[in-house]
Amino acid sequence: AQKITQTQPGMFVQEKEAVTLDCTYDTSDPSYGLFWYKQPSSGEMIFLIYQGSYDQQNATEGRYSLNFQKARKSANLVISASQLGDSAMYFCAMREAPGGGFKTIFGAGTRLFVKA
Amino acid sequence: DAGVIQSPRHEVTEMGQEVTLRCKPISGHDYLFWYRQTMMRGLELLIYFNNNVPIDDSGMPEDRFSAKMPNASFSTLKIQPSEPRDSAVYFCASSPGGAGANVLTFGAGSRLTVL
Repeated sequence: AQKITQTQPGMFVQEKEAVTLDCTYDTSDPSYGLFWYKQPSSGEMIFLIYQGSYDQQNATEGRYSLNFQKARKSANLVISASQLGDSAMYFCAMREAPGGGFKTIFGAGTRLFVKA
Repeated sequence: DAGVIQSPRHEVTEMGQEVTLRCKPISGHDYLFWYRQTMMRGLELLIYFNNNVPIDDSGMPEDRFSAKMPNASFSTLKIQPSEPRDSAVYFCASSPGGAGANVLTFGAGSRLTVL
């Protein structure tokens, strides 16, 4: 069965510094996708970055990068040069496909606080 | 594209009343998901559809909850009768199918308060 674990309920980072948010997962499906979403205090869910299980390179999107370690089943999000606007809840998600029917589940989330 | 549209944005009702939440997915998306978000339980997947057919409803809490997708552009989540513990934000999300990232696009959510 799918499982996503985010062990950091809250994280603090100084503005302009980098921060890593942890995510581990478990699945028996060889084909899956990993996602990170941001949820600011306004409540909307914003897609940040995607990593496919067969992708050889770590995904990057601007200041976001995904540190994908397949053997360790981890997909940590790295935010470089943190900004005050990065303060939000961050969710890791996994989607099994296609054998898993594209079921997508989310971790418990990590609340990030960026300090000025 | 207007994105995923959910209504109502806010609903306050009394225990025992029927609640219907609505969702219009992005045109052309094959998958539609309903999630519930609470402080205690986080984001829970309730049910999802592929081409209007329910694929997995194992997350639906109990028989009081039901979901339908009568066509590709509309889905409902119904709670009857509602209870205070159903108070949460309910999100609808849709995504394409096939190869590729198939990113979920979320609606703004429906905040339900059951008194």
